[in-house]
Amino acid sequence: DIVMTQSPDSLAVSLGETATINCKTSRSVLYNSNNKNYLAWYQQKPGQPPKLLIYWASTRESGVPDRFSGSGSGTDFTLTISSLQAEDVAVYYCQQCYSTPFTFGPGTKVDIK
Amino acid sequence: EVQLVESGGGLVQPGGSLRLSCAASGFTFSHYNMNWVRQAPGKGLEWLSYITTSSTTIYYADSVRGRFTISRDNAKNSLYLQMNSLSDDDTAVYYCATYDYAAYGGAFNIWGQGTMVTVSS
Repeated sequence: DIVMTQSPDSLAVSLGETATINCKTSRSVLYNSNNKNYLAWYQQKPGQPPKLLIYWASTRESGVPDRFSGSGSGTDFTLTISSLQAEDVAVYYCQQCYSTPFTFGPGTKVDIK
Repeated sequence: EVQLVESGGGLVQPGGSLRLSCAASGFTFSHYNMNWVRQAPGKGLEWLSYITTSSTTIYYADSVRGRFTISRDNAKNSLYLQMNSLSDDDTAVYYCATYDYAAYGGAFNIWGQGTMVTVSS
């Protein structure tokens, strides 16, 4: 199984500042035949289901604000929230879609400082 | 409107069974592979099971293999999860979610609102 880790567990960022969340996979999720990383990011607000933000490690889902960006390749990935807004308070999860079981990271809680 | 609606959750005694349903609307359900994911109270997300469009390929997490059975009825636009031998550890919100390999690299792009399962005596 691919083990997912995220850091930090939580962070508090001032409005308008940048939040950075890291995700590491225990083995590469880069599919060499198409050079795509099978890594997704989700946002979950209290009482709501997860919402897909980013897929293929860096492709933003339709309708997701461009302050959300994903980067990384292989085993190390980053979700960056630029100019944090109050509505961005949530838990963020990474997930590998490379192989079953489709494991999720433990989550990173983002709050306003 | 694209929508997944789960139902069938509730309170069940340890050792009991429950069948969850997930009704799809607003999109061609039969074209999508599907998943079940759960979230225990205050905890993270746990993938449980995956089924292809024609039910020919099915996968389970180790935690539920042998106790849970995923199935679907494309004519009814519905996904199911039969859960047997339930224990306290199965208490969670259960979500169904679509899987789109071609367009999203397997990311779960559509999620239901979830149904709560509580296992308690």
